[in-house]
Amino acid sequence: AQKITQTQPGMFVQEKEAVTLDCTYDTSDQSYGLFWYKQPSSGEMIFLIYQGSYDEQNATEGRYSLNFQKARKSANLVISASQLGDSAMYFCAMREGKTGRRALTFGSGTRLQVQP
Amino acid sequence: DTEVTQTPKHLVMGMTNKKSLKCEQHMGHRAMYWYKQKAKKPPELMFVYSYEKLSINESVPSRFSPECPNSSLLNLHLHALQPEDSALYLCASSQGSAVLEQFFGPGTRLTVL
Repeated sequence: AQKITQTQPGMFVQEKEAVTLDCTYDTSDQSYGLFWYKQPSSGEMIFLIYQGSYDEQNATEGRYSLNFQKARKSANLVISASQLGDSAMYFCAMREGKTGRRALTFGSGTRLQVQP
Repeated sequence: DTEVTQTPKHLVMGMTNKKSLKCEQHMGHRAMYWYKQKAKKPPELMFVYSYEKLSINESVPSRFSPECPNSSLLNLHLHALQPEDSALYLCASSQGSAVLEQFFGPGTRLTVL
């Protein structure tokens, strides 16, 4: 079964507008972490934002915010005031806690294109 | 220094060659990872090293052989690869005991002819 689901293969947004990238997850762990990474065409994975399962407030990092709805098991990324440089692949990822496994499980990704 | 470096950036090799990928970090991280990413797919975990010991091997074929000579360095030795092994190989590191972000290197684009 998919642990991380990103249902939007591609998204378009106008420059300066906000966009939401969807992510749902599946875990039976109480302790886990959710991450969003950006991957430009160059290939490097750039960390954007992190949300811990026990964090009561939604995470924010500059123009990035994470809409964390624990009961619905969703962790959507909101990018405000989109810029042309935001065009990239975006991956949602999860690290589960119970096995001590530190590796990340990634969703299939969403390709975001920002239009001028 | 919050950087993970990987060399080489690009590698083309034949199926009979032996080559190595190198990854280095100087952030004092005690966990290091190899991921494989095929085109238009998410990264998939290959190996995890924790405190210089191999802790996870995701059933990777033996033609891939990881090595962690010290806490800053991670190698991936390649031998007798197949064309389907062509991919972007990403190295990452993280602190050993907290649920914090993994820092990724820029990757090595491998082509097997």
